[in-house]
Amino acid sequence: EPEVTQTPSHQVTQMGQEVILRCVPISNHLYFYWYRQILGQKVEFLVSFYNNEISEKSEIFDDQFSVERPDGSNFTLKIRSTKLEDSAMYFCASSETDRSNQPQHFGDGTRLSIL
Amino acid sequence: AQSVTQLDSHVSVSEGTPVLLRCNYSSSYSPSLFWYVQHPNKGLQLLLKYTSAATLVKGINGFEAEFKKSETSFHLTKPSAHMSDAAEYFCVVSKHTGGFKTIFGAGTRLFVKA
Repeated sequence: EPEVTQTPSHQVTQMGQEVILRCVPISNHLYFYWYRQILGQKVEFLVSFYNNEISEKSEIFDDQFSVERPDGSNFTLKIRSTKLEDSAMYFCASSETDRSNQPQHFGDGTRLSIL
Repeated sequence: AQSVTQLDSHVSVSEGTPVLLRCNYSSSYSPSLFWYVQHPNKGLQLLLKYTSAATLVKGINGFEAEFKKSETSFHLTKPSAHMSDAAEYFCVVSKHTGGFKTIFGAGTRLFVKA
């Protein structure tokens, strides 16, 4: 069964540094998403992306964050000038359509630790 | 506005006994509802989804959920727990009309005792 893959599985970064989290969505999917789960807290929506544009973003997704689809397969989340509170599990997801009855398929996540 | 409440943060059952994980939702629109499972250090795996076709939804690994509009509930059940069911379970409500919204519940950790 096709999978969403995320790399790296664990990223350790010094505070203030930039980090790029990578995702390869399922190949025939057109909609892509990033979510964040701070330890012990809920999974939170960050951003959705379609047709090389952000379609929705949450209040969390401020100017520190950006997303990009640099080629036909990768979907990246960049966090500039990382802060301690950015430490979390970051999940990428993809779906075929944006209809609400279509489930999103999630990757295994990247655990980001900011020191 | 949409919200989802998982009524139990932890549930503990013995192997072979039934599982009940409770979820209540609120939504201004007819919602789509999902249950996902997360095993340690793994991603979120879809268990089942409700999309208005049938109120009793069967999923993978013997799980099922019943949509009850009058009670605004979507509880997850399994007749007989297995040790491998121990994981975190998330109830999710989604709508894409009038703006994308996918809201996760806080999660219920299921413990299965031998």
